[in-house]
Amino acid sequence: DVKVTQSSRYLVKRTGEKVFLECVQDMDHENMFWYRQDPGLGLRLIYFSYDVKMKEKGDIPEGYSVSREKKERFSLILESASTNQTSMYLCASRAPAGPSNEQFFGPGTRLTVL
Amino acid sequence: AQKITQTQPGMFVQEKEAVTLDCTYDTSDQSYGLFWYKQPSSGEMIFLIYQGSYDEQNATEGRYSLNFQKARKSANLVISASQLGDSAMYFCAMSRSNTGNQFYFGTGTSLTVIP
Repeated sequence: DVKVTQSSRYLVKRTGEKVFLECVQDMDHENMFWYRQDPGLGLRLIYFSYDVKMKEKGDIPEGYSVSREKKERFSLILESASTNQTSMYLCASRAPAGPSNEQFFGPGTRLTVL
Repeated sequence: AQKITQTQPGMFVQEKEAVTLDCTYDTSDQSYGLFWYKQPSSGEMIFLIYQGSYDEQNATEGRYSLNFQKARKSANLVISASQLGDSAMYFCAMSRSNTGNQFYFGTGTSLTVIP
């Protein structure tokens, strides 16, 4: 079974802190994604990566950066956390080619910024 | 722009009854995929069902079926014989065959199954 893991289920940080959210997948997928989920807004794409060291901005990249040094690992970085980044963060991975491949999701990280 | 619309923020259904969750999409692509995911209160996203834009038959997976009407750009999820464990958020999503194979998600429908 595909497994996507995220480093923390719950995280509490202070305003201005640098925050790292880690995501690891074990199925050799080229594509990895970071979303944030807020009530009434669904899932919004922050960044995605289609290969090692390759990244593309999603719909809401402001305030975030990403790193993909190894194929299995995709990190989301909040350079200076703010209260409006309090949210649920979901990582996903997907096999390449063809619209039929579903995204596999991690369990999510609920981040609270105080 | 690609867009997914789910117009039902919340739905209630009696246990053992069928329920339809609505989803419409907007795309100019010829090749795309439509997905439904379930998100229980625990937070994990569970893949339910997939429909390809070229598939002529509606997809079915157990109690889940996807009512695909291409001309109307709708991809409604039908859950038959609802169970208490079906209470969850349901998200409709569309994939594109582009770099990264992006997904676009709707805002979700919260389904509550009443005993």
